[in-house]
Amino acid sequence: AQRVTQPEKLLSVFKGAPVELKCNYSYSGSPELFWYVQYSRQRLQLLLRHISRESIKGFTADLNKGETSFHLKKPFAQEEDSAMYYCALSGSGGSNYKLTFGKGTLLTVNP
Amino acid sequence: GAGVSQTPSNKVTEKGKYVELRCDPISGHTALYWYRQSLGQGPEFLIYFQGTGAADDSGLPNDRFFAVRPEGSVSTLKIQRTERGDSAVYLCASSLPGAQETQYFGPGTRLLVL
Repeated sequence: AQRVTQPEKLLSVFKGAPVELKCNYSYSGSPELFWYVQYSRQRLQLLLRHISRESIKGFTADLNKGETSFHLKKPFAQEEDSAMYYCALSGSGGSNYKLTFGKGTLLTVNP
Repeated sequence: GAGVSQTPSNKVTEKGKYVELRCDPISGHTALYWYRQSLGQGPEFLIYFQGTGAADDSGLPNDRFFAVRPEGSVSTLKIQRTERGDSAVYLCASSLPGAQETQYFGPGTRLLVL
């Protein structure tokens, strides 16, 4: 069975501080990992995916297969980063359509 | 361009009633998905359509739930004999052919069963 765990329901940081949102997963195989974000009163949208290895809005995430983690990081948080963040995984190959989400972490960046 | 749209945005119904939730995917997106998000949870997969057919309906919780996509575009999620536990936000997503892992979500329909 595939599972995604986000241990922090809430995370609060000050503007300019580093931020790390934790994500651990369980999957027997080679999953694809994603971070989705939902800003206030907006729809869920893809932030980044591990195979792209790109930085979006200053966020990066590295897949650590040994620790089965995919933590999201940003060195200097901004107030506009305040949102709900969901880590998700999908299987590889024929099962890559089924996203399994964590429960989410609500990030608040204080001025 | 226009994103995924869902109607209604909110639906209040009474226990035992029948409801239909509609999803209009992005034009050209052959794959369509339904998810359910209960309070305090992440979205949970319900069903996946490729074209007109349901390729995977393993996430539907029971036979009260049914979804159709007769012309390969608009989809309707149907819930019979609603129960209070069905209260949730129902999300629809769509994706391009061959890019199922990149899903674009709609705003959701918030269903409240009294």
